[in-house]
Amino acid sequence: SQQGEEDPQALSIQEGENATMNCSYKTSINNLQWYRQNSGRGLVHLILIRSNEREKHSGRLRVTLDTSKKSSSLLITASRAADTASYFCATDSSASKIIFGSGTRLSIRP
Amino acid sequence: EAGVTQSPTHLIKTRGQQATLRCSPISGHTSVYWYQQALGLGLQFLLWYDEGEERNRGNFPPRFSGRQFPNYSSELNVNALELEDSALYLCASSLPPGQVYEQYFGPGTRLTVT
Repeated sequence: SQQGEEDPQALSIQEGENATMNCSYKTSINNLQWYRQNSGRGLVHLILIRSNEREKHSGRLRVTLDTSKKSSSLLITASRAADTASYFCATDSSASKIIFGSGTRLSIRP
Repeated sequence: EAGVTQSPTHLIKTRGQQATLRCSPISGHTSVYWYQQALGLGLQFLLWYDEGEERNRGNFPPRFSGRQFPNYSSELNVNALELEDSALYLCASSLPPGQVYEQYFGPGTRLTVT
């Protein structure tokens, strides 16, 4: 399987609840990034966490990184309808390329 | 500041034809990346260009090719189109290698092969 696998594949929650998505990867990384993609459109960068960081916040987003487990999580607090999108993690182990996972489809129910 | 732009928005071709997709990066970005996203799937890395050179390519056949021009814009060419080439093709740009690797994405070109 490819570097950067998101889990779950799909997630449906009530508006106002927190959403947690996970990403696992296989090789050592320099950075891990999370992106959001609204239906059929380009990706928007959310947050980058470096391999020597364990946690990072940006607004309602909280990202953790556990390099010993080769995993990361993205937490969206107090979800809103506008958060409905696909979320991808992307890892880079070199300057050559960034590897994206297949994404988590998040649906927020009103 | 203008973002990454791609053209055309939609492209319809028939099997066996060639498709050319274009991308203009953000001003100051020298790296351009191309990705293929088939319906409902994740992004598959296609090509990476920097300073006019191909730096890396993903696991795609040689009929997927491209180039980067002196102004850092880029073209993706797909020859001998097959039905399974139907996908959203995303272009992204970033600062030169060695700096932060955040990529800025364009809106994509949706290629339909009939």
